[in-house]
Amino acid sequence: EAGVVQSPRYKIIEKKQPVAFWCNPISGHNTLYWYRQNLGQGPELLIRYENEEAVDDSQLPKDRFSAERLKGVDSTLKIQPAELGDSAVYLCASSLIGGGGNEQFFGPGTRLTVL
Amino acid sequence: AQSVTQPDIHITVSEGASLELRCNYSYGATPYLFWYVQSPGQGLQLLLKYFSGDTLVQGIKGFEAEFKRSQSSFNLRKPSVHWSDAAEYFCAVGPSGYSTLTFGKGTMLLVSP
Repeated sequence: EAGVVQSPRYKIIEKKQPVAFWCNPISGHNTLYWYRQNLGQGPELLIRYENEEAVDDSQLPKDRFSAERLKGVDSTLKIQPAELGDSAVYLCASSLIGGGGNEQFFGPGTRLTVL
Repeated sequence: AQSVTQPDIHITVSEGASLELRCNYSYGATPYLFWYVQSPGQGLQLLLKYFSGDTLVQGIKGFEAEFKRSQSSFNLRKPSVHWSDAAEYFCAVGPSGYSTLTFGKGTMLLVSP
């Protein structure tokens, strides 16, 4: 079974430029998460989707960040414009509510560097 | 508000020695507790989880953790560390495995020969 797929794995941009990250969750998983992990810190949730609905976006900086989950499968996280402080690893995770496992499966992440 | 404290930023253990990583949490109800491991350039892999029942839980790769409600702790242990265990370890708490998890800042494990 394929795991959570993320692309790109690395991205370097200049500040004020836009950037987008893509996530393909494990097949059949109805819940998708975007976390941001700053250097030396644990992951922090940005947004959580159940199917197509964003059920927790309280920590998403909505002035510059946006996300969507197309047809309840893939998801894209966008930053426009990027700031120096956005340099971090962006992790996508997925889970299957009702599947009994009660756990989240993480992708490898996208490491963003803003110059 | 829920929170997790991992008091050790770095720990160095000799190969073959035992390991204990500390985790203290703050949570208003019965917590769901998790330990994840992250190797360089990799995502997080679940080692073990606790929801209820036996307070000593077994996980993958020979790890175990003990839930102590009176101490608000969920420490991770391994009797004999292998060089391949060198990685960063994160403790997390949440109302369920599907909900928003709060992670600690992580403990970096270094294994010396």
